[in-house]
Amino acid sequence: DAKTTQPPSMDCAEGRAANLPCNHSTISGNEYVYWYRQIHSQGPQYIIHGLKNNETNEMASLIITEDRKSSTLILPHATLRDTAVYYCIVRVPYNFNKFYFGSGTKLNVKP
Amino acid sequence: DGGITQSPKYLFRKEGQNVTLSCEQNLNHDAMYWYRQDPGQGLRLIYYSQIVNDFQKGDIAEGYSVSREKKESFPLTVTSAQKNPTAFYLCASSIRRLAAASTDTQYFGPGTRLTVL
Repeated sequence: DAKTTQPPSMDCAEGRAANLPCNHSTISGNEYVYWYRQIHSQGPQYIIHGLKNNETNEMASLIITEDRKSSTLILPHATLRDTAVYYCIVRVPYNFNKFYFGSGTKLNVKP
Repeated sequence: DGGITQSPKYLFRKEGQNVTLSCEQNLNHDAMYWYRQDPGQGLRLIYYSQIVNDFQKGDIAEGYSVSREKKESFPLTVTSAQKNPTAFYLCASSIRRLAAASTDTQYFGPGTRLTVL
């Protein structure tokens, strides 16, 4: 599965949009992009996933570049409760032992 | 509510003792997983099971054992052979393949923090 690169930390003002980047330049055609987040001492929470089209749900939007080498998770109106570590993962579905969580991006939402 | 439960939330054990962590799901998922997380690190896969009575080793299975006698349950035993068992343990589950276009999003429990004294 492709490797991902994320910045170790980012700050965002409360009420503003948080844009979290992820680089996956070696992604292959059948690999999906997944995003999870983990609030301190809790289990990871699924946010969104996509293959090549942009996706939106009640939590966030996922923008995948046309060449699929990078993506951005957008939290449209960040709140203090969005402070967490955000993980970007790329993988082929149903590779049961290939769900690698790296170190992620620590998002700090500030008042 | 559907979800994954793990118990206990905090667990303390003396060196040399085996301990079993519970994981139960009522999502009707076929696949279940155990991960370990050390401070400031990502998750590492210990074991996974795609179906009842079947399970496979992950990347760090040494010193751990599992069973999958029921679809809803996937307990993890941390044995005395695990040299550094203090960690945060996470259980997850997902559906099996339903169609070529489906994906297997994993859903996680709240975790068990194990401390060896």
